[in-house]
Amino acid sequence: KAGVTQTPRYLIKTRGQQVTLSCSPISGHRSVSWYQQTPGQGLQFLFEYFSETQRNKGNFPGRFSGRQFSNSRSEMNVSTLELGDSALYLCASRPGGSLYEQYFGPGTRLTVT
Amino acid sequence: ILNVEQSPQSLHVQEGDSTNFTCSFPSSNFYALHWYRWETAKSPEALFVMTLNGDEKKKGRISATLNTKEGYSYLYIKGSQPEDSATYLCASITQGGSEKLVFGKGTKLTVNP
Repeated sequence: KAGVTQTPRYLIKTRGQQVTLSCSPISGHRSVSWYQQTPGQGLQFLFEYFSETQRNKGNFPGRFSGRQFSNSRSEMNVSTLELGDSALYLCASRPGGSLYEQYFGPGTRLTVT
Repeated sequence: ILNVEQSPQSLHVQEGDSTNFTCSFPSSNFYALHWYRWETAKSPEALFVMTLNGDEKKKGRISATLNTKEGYSYLYIKGSQPEDSATYLCASITQGGSEKLVFGKGTKLTVNP
């Protein structure tokens, strides 16, 4: 079974631009969660989508948004990028609720200059 | 405890040593606890999902215990090997509608040959 894939793997953007990251979950997994990893902060939860609906949301500004398609693929969008958005963005999928372990993708490394 | 806290922040041991580290989490409205291992340049990998007070889980040389009443979990590694070098993350989930995982900042383990 193919694992979670994320594209692109690396991205360099300029402050003020917007960016879209993509995540393809493991086949059959309906839940996709997004996390931000910055040095010293640990994994910060952004949001979770389940069957095309946002089920949970973390404490991030409205510049961070996401969506999920009918095939469970998910995208995350960050508008008006700030330097502080430079981070590793991970997505994770699981078959159902939070009692299932999550399967993480390799991440997208975003650098904002 | 309001957040998920892990200690120590980092740990250096010699090959063959046994080691353990701690995850502290809010005990009120506890729902589940996840443990993940994150090796450098790889994706986080699930180790355990634990729900019951007194639960003990084992995978090879790694085991974990859970105390939901006092809000802590221990992860043990018996006879550490260099390939155990990684950051070990725990994540807590509380009841109340939201199933988002709140991660600690991790314990970085280095096993010297």
